[in-house]
Amino acid sequence: GESVGLHLPTLSVQEGDNSIINCAYSNSASDYFIWYKQESGKGPQFIIDIRSNMDKRQGQRVTVLLNKTVKHLSLQIAATQPGDSAVYFCAEGYTGRRALTFGSGTRLQVQP
Amino acid sequence: KAGVTQTPRYLIKTRGQQVTLSCSPISGHRSVSWYQQTPGQGLQFLFEYFSETQRNKGNFPGRFSGRQFSNSRSEMNVSTLELGDSALYLCASSLDGSNQPQHFGDGTRLSIL
Repeated sequence: GESVGLHLPTLSVQEGDNSIINCAYSNSASDYFIWYKQESGKGPQFIIDIRSNMDKRQGQRVTVLLNKTVKHLSLQIAATQPGDSAVYFCAEGYTGRRALTFGSGTRLQVQP
Repeated sequence: KAGVTQTPRYLIKTRGQQVTLSCSPISGHRSVSWYQQTPGQGLQFLFEYFSETQRNKGNFPGRFSGRQFSNSRSEMNVSTLELGDSALYLCASSLDGSNQPQHFGDGTRLSIL
């Protein structure tokens, strides 16, 4: 497959464990945050989003936590499966900007 | 509902040439954004279109341009290609662009020889 990034930080977990992927953002004006999953040879796939008026949002097997005080975002994946292996990106935006600023990504490797 | 469709998937060009990439958004989506993805720079915003108007532009040279048609389909053009333009070009669509999930196509892989 095609390489998304050559030197991405990698998180390696065992199948069935919970995964936590972290992201720091820099723009205090950002009020919208989103996580994407990108598999080799594919475009980023939307996972979950959160607005700045929330601290936590849950989806199916995923939870996003937002800490605006320290400008930190995390994605928790419960019961990680081999199909979760991919590169995960956080992205931030702010009202009116209509453009997302992406983090550099984290590679998640799930060991069977 | 069909996703975002980008054509072609792969393209090989030589320096100095120009190229046009095409994007068909999800039906009903009126905002189309373009991003460049490289191993070194990651995902970077190029521009965003809504109702045939460019509303936002990233920090790329004027060789990169785009347009949107009345059916929301979009094209981006790169003129006078340079080796550094080799990248995956991604198109994303959303309902109206602001603070909403953008849904991506699988991109066009552009290689410059």
